[in-house]
Amino acid sequence: DAGVTQSPTHLIKTRGQQVTLRCSPKSGHDTVSWYQQALGQGPQFIFQYYEEEERQRGNFPDRFSGHQFPNYSSELNVNALLLGDSALYLCASSSGLAGASPLFFGPGTRLTVL
Amino acid sequence: QKEVEQNSGPLSVPEGAIASLNCTYSDRGSQSFFWYRQYSGKSPELIMFIYSNGDKEDGRFTAQLNKASQYVSLLIRDSQPSDSATYLCAPDNTDKLIFGTGTRLQVFP
Repeated sequence: DAGVTQSPTHLIKTRGQQVTLRCSPKSGHDTVSWYQQALGQGPQFIFQYYEEEERQRGNFPDRFSGHQFPNYSSELNVNALLLGDSALYLCASSSGLAGASPLFFGPGTRLTVL
Repeated sequence: QKEVEQNSGPLSVPEGAIASLNCTYSDRGSQSFFWYRQYSGKSPELIMFIYSNGDKEDGRFTAQLNKASQYVSLLIRDSQPSDSATYLCAPDNTDKLIFGTGTRLQVFP
């Protein structure tokens, strides 16, 4: 049973660039949530996708956008990168909206912005 | 007031002792509560969840929930050095999970 997968594992970008991160949910899961985790902090909720729509959004600017595909996989896009966007980006999947069922996390993508 | 509050630690306990990790939350509407363990450089992994007031036991782990006090805790019995990690509390908040900053636990031999 494949768990949550994310790509790439690591990424280095410069300020102003754009980045796309990818996530495939755990088999049988239909909901994908994205989190940003800065060093020493807990994961911060970015947004959640269910049935190819953004269902919930955290306190992140419009530079952060996403998409969910019919096969439930998802992308996170960040435009106009800032140094402060350097973090571990975590994708988590669940069966239905989170809360009723637990989240399962992927290994994360470590983004460094120079 | 933060939505989820945890003591960042580190909480240091000797091997074999009971580690007690605490969490308070602000949303009275939260119905589900999750504990995740995160090793350094790794992603969070689910270790416990609890929906009802009272205790829930799973092996060496016991989750305790008191909705009236908006308090949830995790007890780890017979702590092992391999339990050294950051423990994240995550109540649900309108169909999404909100995480605390986590408590770093150190179990020394």
